[in-house]
Amino acid sequence: DAKTTQPTSMDCAEGRAANLPCNHSTISGNEYVYWYRQIHSQGPQYIIHGLKNNETNEMASLIITEDRKSSTLILPHATLRDTAVYYCIVRAFNTNAGKSTFGDGTTLTVKP
Amino acid sequence: EPEVTQTPSHQVTQMGQEVILRCVPISNHLYFYWYRQILGQKVEFLVSFYNNEISEKSEIFDDQFSVERPDGSNFTLKIRSTKLEDSAMYFCASRAGTQQETQYFGPGTRLLVL
Repeated sequence: DAKTTQPTSMDCAEGRAANLPCNHSTISGNEYVYWYRQIHSQGPQYIIHGLKNNETNEMASLIITEDRKSSTLILPHATLRDTAVYYCIVRAFNTNAGKSTFGDGTTLTVKP
Repeated sequence: EPEVTQTPSHQVTQMGQEVILRCVPISNHLYFYWYRQILGQKVEFLVSFYNNEISEKSEIFDDQFSVERPDGSNFTLKIRSTKLEDSAMYFCASRAGTQQETQYFGPGTRLLVL
């Protein structure tokens, strides 16, 4: 699976949009971009994923560049409960394994 | 909304003892996983399981570890003879199938080996 690079930490004001970048310059054509978050020591929580088109769900939006070498997760109105470690993961599809390789992620702190 | 569940939430054991961590994946999911996270470190892949056999395992998953799906619902991780360094959070995950790639994680079991 392709390696990802994320900033170590970011701050965001409550109510503002949080934009979390991820670089995955070695991504292959058969790899999705996934975002998870981990609040404290809880299990990783799925947020969103995409292949090449931008995606939006009730939690967030995912913007993937045209060359697919980077992406941005957008939390449109961050709340204090969005404080967590956010992981960007690229994973191949159509495999019987399909493990996720977690990096260090970005620690997002939402401040009042 | 369906979710992955894990029991127990916490387990304390003595070094050398066997432990079994239990997971109930989301119903109708076909792929199952175990990960672990040592305190302050990354989430690490241990093993993936499909069609009643291991499809991939990491270097961490040595002879002391085994997985089983004893019935149609449970998915277990056994550590035969625990070591101090096995102390970690253990997360189970499942996914529906090929073409449905999203993995859903359980809340974890915190294992402490004394």
